This record gives sequence, C-alpha cells and structure tokens, in this order.
Amino acid sequence: RKEVEQDPGPFNVPEGATVAFNCTYSNSASQSFFWYRQDCRKEPKLLMSVYSSGNEDGRFTAQLNRASQYISLLIRDSKLSDSATYLCVVNTPDSSNTGKLIFGQGTTLQVKP
Amino acid sequence: GAVVSQHPSRVICKSGTSVKIECRSLDFQATTMFWYRQFPKQSLMLMATSNEGSKATYEQGVEKDKFLINHASLTLSTLTVTSAHPEDSSFYICSARAPVDQETQYFGPGTRLLVL
Repeated sequence: RKEVEQDPGPFNVPEGATVAFNCTYSNSASQSFFWYRQDCRKEPKLLMSVYSSGNEDGRFTAQLNRASQYISLLIRDSKLSDSATYLCVVNTPDSSNTGKLIFGQGTTLQVKP
Repeated sequence: GAVVSQHPSRVICKSGTSVKIECRSLDFQATTMFWYRQFPKQSLMLMATSNEGSKATYEQGVEKDKFLINHASLTLSTLTVTSAHPEDSSFYICSARAPVDQETQYFGPGTRLLVL
C-alpha cells in the first residue's frame, strides 16, 4: 500500500466550478501535512499547509481528519490558471528530528473555458 | 521566500558517462538538503538526505555508490550519477530545509536528465 494515496484523475472541470481532491495516508504517526502544486515539467511549489482545524486561503480550503487519516483540498470558482497537478504531501517521522516528506502521486486538474 | 537553484537544468549524455548536478541555496544556509527523483506520471521519490559535513543518508533501494552526494558547504550539495544508463533518465529535484521552519522545504527548479 502506498504511504500517500491520491486519485490521479484527471479532473476536467469548467471555469467557475468547485472541485475537491482527497488523499489518504498510512502512517498514523505523521505530524504535518501539505498540499503542493506542480505545473508540467516544473518543481513542486507549496500551496498550503493543512491543519486539524481546517484552513482557508482565498479560494482554497484544506481539511485534515486525523482519525480517518484523510486530507482534502477544495478549490472554489476554478480559474484556468488552476490547471496543474496537486500533490498531497505528508511529513513522516524518521530517525532525524524533523522527518521526511512523502509525496502522493498527484491529482491532475484541467480547468476548461 | 528562499531561493534554491539547480544546475544544469537539463542534460543529455551517453550511456556510461557520469553527470554532476549542483543544488545551491542562494540566500540562506542549508544544513540539510534533499534529493528527489520523479519519473513521468509518478510521484517525487526521496533518494537521499544530504547533511553538511557528514555522509548522506540514502533511502532503501537507492545505490549510494551510483548516486554520489557531497554536501561540502552550507549552500551547496551535489549529486553525481555515475555510469549513467538510460533507466536513470528522470527529473532530479533538490530541496533545502528552511532555516527557521524546519518542516518547510524549498525546491530547486529540477534537472531533466536524458541518457542515450
């Protein structure tokens, strides 16, 4: 079983639509959680961290359910520029003090005019 | 935010040659850097953790003698792919741990390697 699992999509939505991505992780000891965005042939860029209480940044809302080991990302009022691959990322403990990042396969979003 | 650079951005080489990729933190010191590899339509996979002044820590399945990592200064880590073969063709990305928020990593732009 993969440590971080995502539906690869693609999700094809019209401009203005609301779209939700889900992610599950297997290591219950994981401490911190993120959503990254990766454009084609580029490096990943941090979109937002995910907190247990849920957090919002403009049109983006992230939520974490530790009991279910489930993370979500909601994008409202989709823009063409939102087209990208969204990576669910989990910081998993290891022998170091700060752990290492484990990346999901990513969910591809295509926003159409 | 902090800037991480990589050089070269892309390289094409013949099978059997060695390729060195540089990762630099431009405006901060990074005691820890990470090297990832990403094959098409797959997730980033951590290859190794590079620690300044000490040996790198390799993930399971990554050959340390094939992927040589040197982190000789607080702003530079290098990855050398020795005797590269076509199956080593991939997108190699480095990252550096943020100096203040240790859970945040800043990623370099990546190096696309094609081995013929």
